[in-house]
Amino acid sequence: EDKVVQSPLSLVVHEGDTVTLNCSYEVTNFRSLLWYKQEKKAPTFLFMLTSSGIEKKSGRLSSILDKKELFSILNITATQTGDSAIYLCAVRHAGGTSYGKLTFGQGTILTVHP
Amino acid sequence: DAGITQSPRYKITETGRQVTLMCHQTWSHSYMFWYRQDLGHGLRLIYYSAAADITDKGEVPDGYVVSRSKTENFPLTLESATRSQTSVYFCASSERTNQPQHFGDGTRLSIL
Repeated sequence: EDKVVQSPLSLVVHEGDTVTLNCSYEVTNFRSLLWYKQEKKAPTFLFMLTSSGIEKKSGRLSSILDKKELFSILNITATQTGDSAIYLCAVRHAGGTSYGKLTFGQGTILTVHP
Repeated sequence: DAGITQSPRYKITETGRQVTLMCHQTWSHSYMFWYRQDLGHGLRLIYYSAAADITDKGEVPDGYVVSRSKTENFPLTLESATRSQTSVYFCASSERTNQPQHFGDGTRLSIL
């Protein structure tokens, strides 16, 4: 059975802290791993990772994938209250009639206090 | 730039009723997806579609029906609603299978 597990499930920090969110996976026919941020409404796309060891970066956020150990991390440096959200990790399946479907983890709820 | 829109945003209904959630996208994306989001489960795939008239079951399809007669629309129907189907439902679309999925704002459905 395909499985995507995120940790921690929730995290409370203060502004300025650095956080690391974890995502491990066991899926058949792995194609890529995606990170989304969800505030009050729709999840919004952050990163898509296909290759091991290549860091993707956007401002204070960065992410990397390890395909040998089957995990990814999302780092947020100098956190701000606007980073408070649910962070979702998803694995994209490859091949056949998968049509790029995603299997999601449970999400990590990040709360950043002023 | 309408993107992907879901309607209604909120819906309350009773067990046994039929209810249809609408999803419309203006990008002409081939691939569309329906998820439900519940505490502790993240997003779970209900049904997906590769094109008009091509649909397939996801992880939790029981009790749901979909259709895709036009590329831009992908309605989800609960034929006889049950309390366990109380959830937030998200529709998503992508242009190609290796592109990120883009999500609608969701429909919060309560079944009494």
